[in-house]
Amino acid sequence: GAVVSQHPSWVICKSGTSVKIECRSLDFQATTMFWYRQFPKQSLMLMATSNEGSKATYEQGVEKDKFLINHASLTLSTLTVTSAHPEDSSFYICSARDARYYGYTFGSGTRLTVV
Amino acid sequence: RKEVEQDPGPFNVPEGATVAFNCTYSNSASQSFFWYRQDCRKEPKLLMSVYSSGNEDGRFTAQLNRASQYISLLIRDSKLSDSATYLCAPGGGADGLTFGKGTHLIIQP
Repeated sequence: GAVVSQHPSWVICKSGTSVKIECRSLDFQATTMFWYRQFPKQSLMLMATSNEGSKATYEQGVEKDKFLINHASLTLSTLTVTSAHPEDSSFYICSARDARYYGYTFGSGTRLTVV
Repeated sequence: RKEVEQDPGPFNVPEGATVAFNCTYSNSASQSFFWYRQDCRKEPKLLMSVYSSGNEDGRFTAQLNRASQYISLLIRDSKLSDSATYLCAPGGGADGLTFGKGTHLIIQP
């Protein structure tokens, strides 16, 4: 089946710094990838849709200047949390859909803690 | 009405029992539906997809009721390893998935 790799698995950073999270489709090409965020005991919330070669589409309430998305190739999308603050601490997960299969495959997620 | 609603539980069920839970959705245009399971602090993993009236895979059965806008998941002969949070998500096409908050299932020995 489709494999999506996400790195890092966890990161602890100081308030005010930026953190980059990578999402790679390993055995398929993904023109579209999705970034989600999940707070404890909450549902996964779609943050943005990453489009290869064009600007990302952000969901309402998600600051595009704070969550920078780059999708420069068909197998890689990155999410950069800029000037991170403790309230940005969350579980960030990417996903993509391989046209050969039904459903969406998720990366293993990145647990971000901002101190 | 929220887009996707699920009973958060927890459902405490003895091993070997049958358990079912529902998920209601508000977008009547949804064409595809997915059940994912999520273990604690892990990513969601696809359990089943539903495109017509239902789908069955071993001990798991998903049913779709378009008229009432809900999908259900039935787990037969439950195992300890079935303990997880079950997320439903209508969606498909070019859009990302909209998830419910999930139903927490605990299988007790």
